[in-house]
Amino acid sequence: EVQLVESGGGLVQPGGSLRLSCAASGFTFSSYEMNWVRQAPGKGLEWLSYIGRSDITIYYADSVKGRFTISRDNAKNSLYLHMNSLRAEDTAVYYCAKVNSGYYYFDYWGQGTLVTVSS
Amino acid sequence: DIQMTQSPSTLSASVGDRVTITCRASQSISSWLAWYQQKPGKAPKLLIYKASSLESGVPSRFSGSGSGTEFTLTISSLQPDDSATYYCQQYNSIQVSFGQGTKLEIK
Repeated sequence: EVQLVESGGGLVQPGGSLRLSCAASGFTFSSYEMNWVRQAPGKGLEWLSYIGRSDITIYYADSVKGRFTISRDNAKNSLYLHMNSLRAEDTAVYYCAKVNSGYYYFDYWGQGTLVTVSS
Repeated sequence: DIQMTQSPSTLSASVGDRVTITCRASQSISSWLAWYQQKPGKAPKLLIYKASSLESGVPSRFSGSGSGTEFTLTISSLQPDDSATYYCQQYNSIQVSFGQGTKLEIK
């Protein structure tokens, strides 16, 4: 059974940093591209970042480019999102999502982890 | 960037009704469109991919159609469990984008 479990969320002050993790199981992690998607309270889904099967190909949304860094450790079956210079508008539930093989829709999602940016 | 626009934003319908949600893309995305269902406090769940392909395990009352810039999600006979927010997503490029969502309520 495919499982994606996010962790690392919490309360952080504006300007602070946080690292989110996504532990994958039930599939060959190294064979699949991965993404981060977030959802602000009461709002819709916002795509944030993509990483290829290795970390050679990476893309970011303009809203987080230069502040967030996606990475993965295929040996640990883990995906990461390093978030710097956090702002109040980064407050959201952050999801990791697995890409279906070869097509950029998301067949599995984690349960999400809440990040709150507030003083 | 490709913008996705859903309509309506909210929808109220009765059990047994046929319901249609529309999604429009700002440029042609061929059939590279997915639909998701999200219930409060839960992660989105994939319903439809490639505009009209039903994900395994999804009830057959859900169907999708369209290509190019206009797409629809149809629920043929609304059930109480279908109360949720529905999102379309284009994946014409790696930098995907979502519609703003359609909240479906059961009368």
